[in-house]
Parts: sequence; C-alpha cells; structure tokens
Amino acid sequence: NAGVTQTPKFRILKIGQSMTLQCTQDMNHNYMYWYRQDPGMGLKLIYYSVGAGITDKGEVPNGYNVSRSTTEDFPLRLELAAPSQTSVYFCASTQSQTYLYYEQYFGPGTRLTVT
Amino acid sequence: KNQVEQSPQSLIILEGKNCTLQCNYTVSPFSNLRWYKQDTGRGPVSLTIMTFSENTKSNGRYTATLDADTKQSSLHITASQLSDSASYICVVSGGGGADGLTFGKGTHLIIQP
Repeated sequence: NAGVTQTPKFRILKIGQSMTLQCTQDMNHNYMYWYRQDPGMGLKLIYYSVGAGITDKGEVPNGYNVSRSTTEDFPLRLELAAPSQTSVYFCASTQSQTYLYYEQYFGPGTRLTVT
Repeated sequence: KNQVEQSPQSLIILEGKNCTLQCNYTVSPFSNLRWYKQDTGRGPVSLTIMTFSENTKSNGRYTATLDADTKQSSLHITASQLSDSASYICVVSGGGGADGLTFGKGTHLIIQP
C-alpha cells in the first residue's frame, strides 16, 4: 500500500513551458485534491475532485487544469508556466468529507521552479 | 474571513526539553481542528483531530488541547527528540470552501542535540 504518490519530485521549467504533475493513490479514495505551498504560507487549494469524471476549482485555480478519468489518478496540468507558479505542490486524498474525523493523506510533494 | 494564526513562527529547543505550540483561529462554523507534522521535503501527516467537544487528545508524546470558547489550540511536545524537528501545521475544518479547510502557516521546530 503506497498511499499517495507524486511524480516528479523536482522540476525546473522555463517560462511558457508546459508540464503535468502526476498523482496516484491506491486507497480507493473518492476525494482528491491539489494544493500549493509557498514559502512561509499555508497550503492553498488549487483544484479538487469528488470522484472520477468530476472536478472543480479551489481557491487558486488560475493557470492550472485537472482531469480525473480514473479513481486512482488526478494529474495537474500547467499550460504556460509563469514564475508565480514556483511552489511546492501536494496532492492529497480522502475517502469522504462527510465523516467528522475524515483524514487527508498527502503525497510527498513536487518542488517546481519556473525561471 | 476564516483565519488560522500560529505562533511562534519558529522555535529552537534542546533535545529532551518540552515545548508548546499555539494556534488561534477565527473559522466559522467550526467542525474540527487538526494538527499535522510536516518533515522537510515531505507531505503533512496527521497527528490529532479534535471536535468542539474534545478538550485534549494525545498521540504518543504529542498532546493537543482545544478551547472552543476562546478559539485556541495548543500542541505540547514532551521530551523532544531529534526526529521532532519539522513544521507543525494547525488546520481548522468547517469554514466553507471546497475542502472546508483553513491551513495555518506552521511553526518550524528545530531540536538541537
């Protein structure tokens, strides 16, 4: 049981380049999330999904896109990388948000630098 | 506006000593409060989750307290170990938004031998 896995671990992009951050979970969780963590700041929600085929915007979605074709995978796409997207990206998952003690499981993160 | 404020921003203590981290929140409505530990280069890992009816919850050497009236929480670490060096993040649930979570900026704790 690997939990939540993310690839790549590190990446450097040039301005205007595109890339996809991969996220996979093997816990059969319905809910998946993408967060970004900027230095000295709290995590901000980019996009989330409540199940295969269903995605929606979070607090900071501009410049990103997502898809959810399977329960396991939730890739995050950056189309035209900008320096403001330099951050650490975390994918997370949970079975359901209705349970009071619902717990999120986070991946190890992808550190992205745009220059 | 929903906010979670943590103090101190950073803390250095000697191995074996105790320490207490603080979290104040203005999230409404309130559902629960979580403390996460984030090791350098890793994702956050849950330590405790408390609802408004719980005053204290322990996880090994970690003890979290919650005062829902004053909207304050603390995380007490007993007999610190080098492996406790990490960022500790307070997260409050229930304030709306897609995931219903408001994250604090974290307290960076360094344990020195």
